[in-house]
Amino acid sequence: GESVGLHLPTLSVQEGDNSIINCAYSNSASDYFIWYKQESGKGPQFIIDIRSNMDKRQGQRVTVLLNKTVKHLSLQIAATQPGDSAVYFCAERPNGQNFVFGPGTRLSVLP
Amino acid sequence: DAMVIQNPRYQVTQFGKPVTLSCSQTLNHNVMYWYQQKSSQAPKLLFHYYDKDFNNEADTPDNFQSRRPNTSFCFLDIRSPGLGDAAMYLCATSGDRVNTEAFFGQGTRLTVV
Repeated sequence: GESVGLHLPTLSVQEGDNSIINCAYSNSASDYFIWYKQESGKGPQFIIDIRSNMDKRQGQRVTVLLNKTVKHLSLQIAATQPGDSAVYFCAERPNGQNFVFGPGTRLSVLP
Repeated sequence: DAMVIQNPRYQVTQFGKPVTLSCSQTLNHNVMYWYQQKSSQAPKLLFHYYDKDFNNEADTPDNFQSRRPNTSFCFLDIRSPGLGDAAMYLCATSGDRVNTEAFFGQGTRLTVV
């Protein structure tokens, strides 16, 4: 069978609260970043992206913040809902090369 | 409507028996990727095609091969599956533009018995 996986960092939030998921990226040459949501047994689903010439981008209930100085990316989810429960991955793309995924964070929404 | 379609969703194969996973796309994207994802881990890139140009990751075992007969289809061949190859295999596509997202299929869960 599969090898034993790593334990994903888990963030537990109350339904209706805001969630903040953090990601440290590694390559200072990365100029494009994406947040993906992956539900159990499914493929990753695009949530929001941001280019390196921006420091904030907003979507529907989600905001991505980029701090290039400290190579940090965050995803904010407003009014978290049970359907937001999933694993969230950040991905960076250095200079048009292939995406590199972060380790992931499991978001658990409590009723 | 599904844009990146992987078949089958679940595949059981015997140790050492060759297996092929398939992926098709309706997006007409130039780039197609194959990722391996093990439990509680991030997707790991195995290789990708840019049009017909095959690009292998340095640490992808020789046991994994790929074919892309046309723009729409891409196959992952595992020549002699071992127990350690049990994983979710994800296909993704992206367009020509540099800063564009990758679209993922729903994955094929491979079990090796």
